[in-house]
Amino acid sequence: GDSVTQMEGPVTLSEEAFLTINCTYTATGYPSLFWYVQYPGEGLQLLLKATKADDKGSNKGFEATYRKETTSFHLEKGSVQVSDSAVYFCALRWGYAGGTSYGKLTFGQGTILTVHP
Amino acid sequence: AAGVIQSPRHLIKEKRETATLKCYPIPRHDTVYWYQQGPGQDPQFLISFYEKMQSDKGSIPDRFSAQQFSDYHSELNMSSLELGDSALYFCASSYWTSGAAKNIQYFGAGTRLSVL
Repeated sequence: GDSVTQMEGPVTLSEEAFLTINCTYTATGYPSLFWYVQYPGEGLQLLLKATKADDKGSNKGFEATYRKETTSFHLEKGSVQVSDSAVYFCALRWGYAGGTSYGKLTFGQGTILTVHP
Repeated sequence: AAGVIQSPRHLIKEKRETATLKCYPIPRHDTVYWYQQGPGQDPQFLISFYEKMQSDKGSIPDRFSAQQFSDYHSELNMSSLELGDSALYFCASSYWTSGAAKNIQYFGAGTRLSVL
């Protein structure tokens, strides 16, 4: 079945360091790919997305490129801030469910990021 | 901007009791999804509804049921609660339109259920 694998965490960085969180997926065809972020005590917020191969999603300095050949969607940021401390989830979504709505999200296990001043 | 509203935010129940979780989607959103996130785990899909009809079903126990009402809000009913049901329950909503890039799921803050 479909699955998403994230790099084992947690990740601890100093402010202004470079961030990479690896994400690979197993699926047939061309799912849409997402990164969601979860701050303490809050719900999941969409960070960025890509819906086809070679698309690059970007938001708030974060970037990820949909690589079909390596089935990957790695998250990167050139200079992290303390406020980026959160849990990051990679997720995939197929198209239609029941012929009408778009389908469920399948999440990776999440990566805890802690950024120190 | 209006967001997905979930209530209650926190709920404490005893084993074998029942619980009802409510979700109010973003206005004009026609699809609701429910997810369960255990401690330190990734969210797992439970069930979804589109235009008040069940559209997909995941690993939802038979003790759980859900529905979407005419005003598009949804309720997740959980009976015979077990200790293992303790988790964060998320609701997400989206609006169906053509184009995968536009069908984004927006999440509520979640209901934290503790079964004692």
